[in-house]
Amino acid sequence: DTAVSQTPKYLVTQMGNDKSIKCEQNLGHDTMYWYKQDSKKFLKIMFSYNNKELIINETVPNRFSPKSPDKAHLNLHINSLELGDSAVYFCASSQGGGQGRTGGYTFGSGTRLTVV
Amino acid sequence: QKEVEQNSGPLSVPEGAIASLNCTYSDRGSQSFFWYRQYSGKSPELIMFIYSNGDKEDGRFTAQLNKASQYVSLLIRDSQPSDSATYLCAVKTGGFKTIFGAGTRLFVKA
Repeated sequence: DTAVSQTPKYLVTQMGNDKSIKCEQNLGHDTMYWYKQDSKKFLKIMFSYNNKELIINETVPNRFSPKSPDKAHLNLHINSLELGDSAVYFCASSQGGGQGRTGGYTFGSGTRLTVV
Repeated sequence: QKEVEQNSGPLSVPEGAIASLNCTYSDRGSQSFFWYRQYSGKSPELIMFIYSNGDKEDGRFTAQLNKASQYVSLLIRDSQPSDSATYLCAVKTGGFKTIFGAGTRLFVKA
């Protein structure tokens, strides 16, 4: 199936731990993203890679680090997790995420991160 | 002023009516405009995109764009209970970023 696959779907972990979320797309898109959706359902951009180049790096704590080994994969590593990191994290991909017009996003199913 | 603004709702319409969802944006250089539907506990799903001024129709959905007024809307004709969801307006700004509005919750009453 063509899709954006995101793992794990649920992640419960203790404060101070380090965790990773993986994302893969087989749509042939050239741009991938990480968004955070908070408890009020607001979607906020964190990072974006276009053809493996980091093009969006929003003001997020440097405990968050994205890695894109190739155009089809974008992972998110979080160090020293804090209670405030609890949220749903969505991976997405699109075609043409650089300047100019872009196609719509295809989202992964989301990772619900709970820090206790 | 928020970059992308939507009325949070909830917007309640009877089954079979037209639901009208509105969105305004602040960046005049914006080039791409999207509507996503998000059911509770699910990921957003693209339902419409529009690039040029005017109307774009796809089935029961019509997206309308007015760049002069910095306004984009979504009309849902013959609303069904299954249309009940949060509708997210998203705008690709003049740079790289796509900014999402906070979403409008729609309830379609059977």
